[in-house]
Amino acid sequence: ETGVTQTPRHLVMGMTNKKSLKCEQHLGHNAMYWYKQSAKKPLELMFVYNFKEQTENNSVPSRFSPECPNSSHLFLHLHTLQPEDSALYLCASSPNRGTDTQYFGPGTRLTVL
Amino acid sequence: QQPVQSPQAVILREGEDAVINCSSSKALYSVHWYRQKHGEAPVFLMILLKGGEQKGHEKISASFNEKKQQSSLYLTASQLSYSGTYFCGTESNNAGNMLTFGGGTRLMVKP
Repeated sequence: ETGVTQTPRHLVMGMTNKKSLKCEQHLGHNAMYWYKQSAKKPLELMFVYNFKEQTENNSVPSRFSPECPNSSHLFLHLHTLQPEDSALYLCASSPNRGTDTQYFGPGTRLTVL
Repeated sequence: QQPVQSPQAVILREGEDAVINCSSSKALYSVHWYRQKHGEAPVFLMILLKGGEQKGHEKISASFNEKKQQSSLYLTASQLSYSGTYFCGTESNNAGNMLTFGGGTRLMVKP
């Protein structure tokens, strides 16, 4: 069972579309993360937010734009993506930033045509 | 630099044992283990801190050898429910660094 939810679970979009991924956690955690999981590749950390402030941007292209309006919600805004951006996007939260145990959401499977 | 996991994949019969290794080129402060079933979120299994400790959860245990900069996950008398991809996440020092994940080990347990 997970206290981290993500919507949508599946998304297909064209390269010119704009869409957003949503993550919500009900665990009272202060830190939230976006990861990209591609086939046959390690989990790639994209962004980290701690107390609503972005603390890490792991050299992610600007076509990915995160937003954290409060400690419970995290968004990933997508625009003009490329086919190689197709992947599973996972959201996670932890009590605090760093290496506390992370609780993952089920992910959004994104396909860019 | 991400840790290296081995093997990349393993197939077991129910009741057999397996070992999954996680090696780093950096000195490690802690190692986290997660399991992800197909189509589901990664789930936390256990964390090991430096000091060479071992931990166990039912028939899954792990060790951490900080001198060798590696951790091993031991699955004993495997069950069908153990199938999934196992990831290690490593912390290279106690400075609030982020976890760096290995490429994963796919485990399939057959009846």
